[in-house]
Amino acid sequence: GAVVSQHPSRVICKSGTSVKIECRSLDFQATTMFWYRQFPKQSLMLMATSNEGSKATYEQGVEKDKFLINHASLTLSTLTVTSAHPEDSSFYICSARVTGGLGSPLHFGNGTRLTVT
Amino acid sequence: TQLLEQSPQFLSIQEGENLTVYCNSSSVFSSLQWYRQEPGEGPVLLVTVVTGGEVKKLKRLTFQFGDARKDSSLHITAAQPGDTGLYLCAGESGNTPLVFGKGTRLSVIA
Repeated sequence: GAVVSQHPSRVICKSGTSVKIECRSLDFQATTMFWYRQFPKQSLMLMATSNEGSKATYEQGVEKDKFLINHASLTLSTLTVTSAHPEDSSFYICSARVTGGLGSPLHFGNGTRLTVT
Repeated sequence: TQLLEQSPQFLSIQEGENLTVYCNSSSVFSSLQWYRQEPGEGPVLLVTVVTGGEVKKLKRLTFQFGDARKDSSLHITAAQPGDTGLYLCAGESGNTPLVFGKGTRLSVIA
């Protein structure tokens, strides 16, 4: 089945530094990928929709200058958390669809646990 | 804004019991999906329902999509410890991104 790979799985960084998270579709091309954030014991909150070759679409309340998204190829999207602060600590998950048809499922990466100290 | 309300939020039951998780909205969805997520991992798709009134079965799990396509339920028969996890419903309509419910955290005790 379709596989989405996310890297790294865990990262610890100091406050003020930047962290890049990669999301790859391993056996399919994804023109659109989605980035979610999940706080402990809560559901997934959509942060942005990453579009290959164009600007990402951010959800209301998500700072585009803080969460930089680059979707440079059909198999790779990256999320960079710039000038990270402890409140950015969270579980970040990416996903992609194999096709865009009605009801086509999202395939999720295994997430990245970010801890900002 | 489309919202999906899931209930209950938490559920702790004994092995062998049955349970039902509900997913409700005031909005109509063109499709609804159920996912299961384990700690430290991404959600894994269980089922997609697209037709009002549709019922799908996956071993001991039965999924139903409401006739009006505003609600859905997940019923687990004879729950096992391996069913423990976070169950998420997610719906979409038109070109809007998938909207997730807040999840139901299920704990099945042996």
